Amino acid sequence: AQTVTQSQPEMSVQEAETVTLSCTYDTSESDYYLFWYKQPPSRQMILVIRQEAYKQQNATENRFSVNFQKAAKSFSLKISDSQLGDAAMYFCAYRSGGQGGSEKLVFGKGTKLTVNP
Amino acid sequence: NAGVTQTPKFRVLKTGQSMTLLCAQDMNHEYMYWYRQDPGMGLRLIHYSVGEGTTAKGEVPDGYNVSRLKKQNFLLGLESAAPSQTSVYFCASSYNRDRVISLYEQYFGPGTRLTVT
Repeated sequence: AQTVTQSQPEMSVQEAETVTLSCTYDTSESDYYLFWYKQPPSRQMILVIRQEAYKQQNATENRFSVNFQKAAKSFSLKISDSQLGDAAMYFCAYRSGGQGGSEKLVFGKGTKLTVNP
Repeated sequence: NAGVTQTPKFRVLKTGQSMTLLCAQDMNHEYMYWYRQDPGMGLRLIHYSVGEGTTAKGEVPDGYNVSRLKKQNFLLGLESAAPSQTSVYFCASSYNRDRVISLYEQYFGPGTRLTVT
């Protein structure tokens, strides 16, 4: 079974600075997808960024980017120019690849990010 | 589009009582999921469905039952609530056959906070 580990229960960053959240995963599959979800105090789960394992290029979405190291099974999230609205729980998630599957997600335990003004 | 909606948003039960959580989606998604979120545990999959009339067990299915009689609805039942089922419950959906991009993303509802005393 796949597992996802987020080793940082809490992180803090100064407004406008850069922060990196860590995620490692364990799998024997070669085809899979990785995601970062954001959960603000409203509890709504919001997709931040996704990465297909077959793509070597790291995904970016505006101020959010990932460092995907497939051999090391590492998938870190970098937030640049941090804003107060970035404060939230961040979850790393794994999904097996291949069409026709159930698309189940396996989540890490989360990292609580605090942004200091 | 309302996306994914959950009813109710909050509920308090006494031990031994039963209840049903309702999830509805209007995105014509094939797959639907129920997760529970506990402090420090991330989200864990309870049950899921890959189509109308089908259901399957996830990581933590004990004490729960589900039904998917209509494509747009996914019901989660607790027959005899226990304090260990105090949690926040999230419904999610994914995979519209007509939109390939949806293969990569689960859309989440706003969550239901359940307390069992």
